[in-house]
Amino acid sequence: AQTVTQSQPEMSVQEAETVTLSCTYDTSESDYYLFWYKQPPSRQMILVIRQEAYKQQNATENRFSVNFQKAAKSFSLKISDSQLGDAAMYFCAYQGGSEKLVFGKGTKLTVNP
Amino acid sequence: GAVVSQHPSWVICKSGTSVKIECRSLDFQATTMFWYRQFPKQSLMLMATSNEGSKATYEQGVEKDKFLINHASLTLSTLTVTSAHPEDSSFYICSASPGVNTQYFGPGTRLTVL
Repeated sequence: AQTVTQSQPEMSVQEAETVTLSCTYDTSESDYYLFWYKQPPSRQMILVIRQEAYKQQNATENRFSVNFQKAAKSFSLKISDSQLGDAAMYFCAYQGGSEKLVFGKGTKLTVNP
Repeated sequence: GAVVSQHPSWVICKSGTSVKIECRSLDFQATTMFWYRQFPKQSLMLMATSNEGSKATYEQGVEKDKFLINHASLTLSTLTVTSAHPEDSSFYICSASPGVNTQYFGPGTRLTVL
């Protein structure tokens, strides 16, 4: 079975600085998708970024970018120019052929003014 | 685009009663919908997967007779918690997929069973 590991339960960053959240996964599938979701205090899950495993180019969405290392099964999220509104729980997720999402345990990000 | 709604957002019920939660995709057709449960300060746990017009597929350990799922149309799925008990109190989240390997989540429903 696939597993997703987020080794950082909590992280903090100063406003305007850069922070990287770690995620590793385990799978025997060759074709899959990886996601980062944000869950603010409202508890609404918001898609931050999506990466197709067959694409070598790292996905970017404005201030959010990933470092996808397929061989190492690593998928980290970099948030540049951190803003107070970025404070939330961040979940890394894996989706293989079954369409089911497998979530990591999450990283709580605090942004300090 | 890609908006998913849930109703109600918060419900309180008495032990032994049933509660229905609706999940709607507002601006797209959802070939597949998913139901999750989230305990405080924990990750999302998949309960079941439903496809329009067919029976839901439940994850191991989830009681299908207790958590009834109906996916009547391409924009609506319902979760009914039957004979609810205090241990069923939780945050229930649905997601919908338009079939492009991306799930869009509803805002969640907080269920409190007294």
